[in-house]
Amino acid sequence: ETGVTQSPTHLIKTRGQQVTLRCSSQSGHNTVSWYQQALGQGPQFIFQYYREEENGRGNFPPRFSGLQFPNYSSELNVNALELDDSALYLCASSPGGADTQYFGPGTRLTVL
Amino acid sequence: QKEVEQDPGPLSVPEGAIVSLNCTYSNSAFQYFMWYRQYSRKGPELLMYTYSSGNKEDGRFTAQVDKSSKYISLFIRDSQPSDSATYLCAMRTNDYKLSFGAGTTVTVRA
Repeated sequence: ETGVTQSPTHLIKTRGQQVTLRCSSQSGHNTVSWYQQALGQGPQFIFQYYREEENGRGNFPPRFSGLQFPNYSSELNVNALELDDSALYLCASSPGGADTQYFGPGTRLTVL
Repeated sequence: QKEVEQDPGPLSVPEGAIVSLNCTYSNSAFQYFMWYRQYSRKGPELLMYTYSSGNKEDGRFTAQVDKSSKYISLFIRDSQPSDSATYLCAMRTNDYKLSFGAGTTVTVRA
């Protein structure tokens, strides 16, 4: 059974650019959640996708958007990057919306 | 006030000691409680998952939940250097969103 995978591992962007991060959910999981983890902090919920629809959103601005595909993989898009967007972005998959979430290794984004 | 409070440590213990970690929370609607372990520059790994108040044991790990006090704990017995990591408490209501503590960094000295 393949776990949650994320790409790329690391990414460096400059302020104002746009970025797309990708996540493949664990086999049998139809729900993907995205979290932002700043250095020294716990993960903060961005949003969740369940069967290709956004199922809930945390306190993040609209420039954070996402997609889920028919195979349940997902993308996180961030527009107009700011320095404070530098963080580890974590994807977690679960069998359903309110089930136990299993995390991927994360994508470390640095905004210069 | 944060919804979930967790002492960031750091906590340093000798090999074989008992590690005691805890979190407090303010939202009485939290029903599900988890502990994740996170190694440096890696994603969180689920260690323990509990629903009700009381104790749950899994090998060297024991999770305790006291809903009346809004307090959860994780104990690691016979700690090993490989237990050196950041431990995150997480909790949620009946919906999907996990709320995390800031994490406690633990070092087990050989």
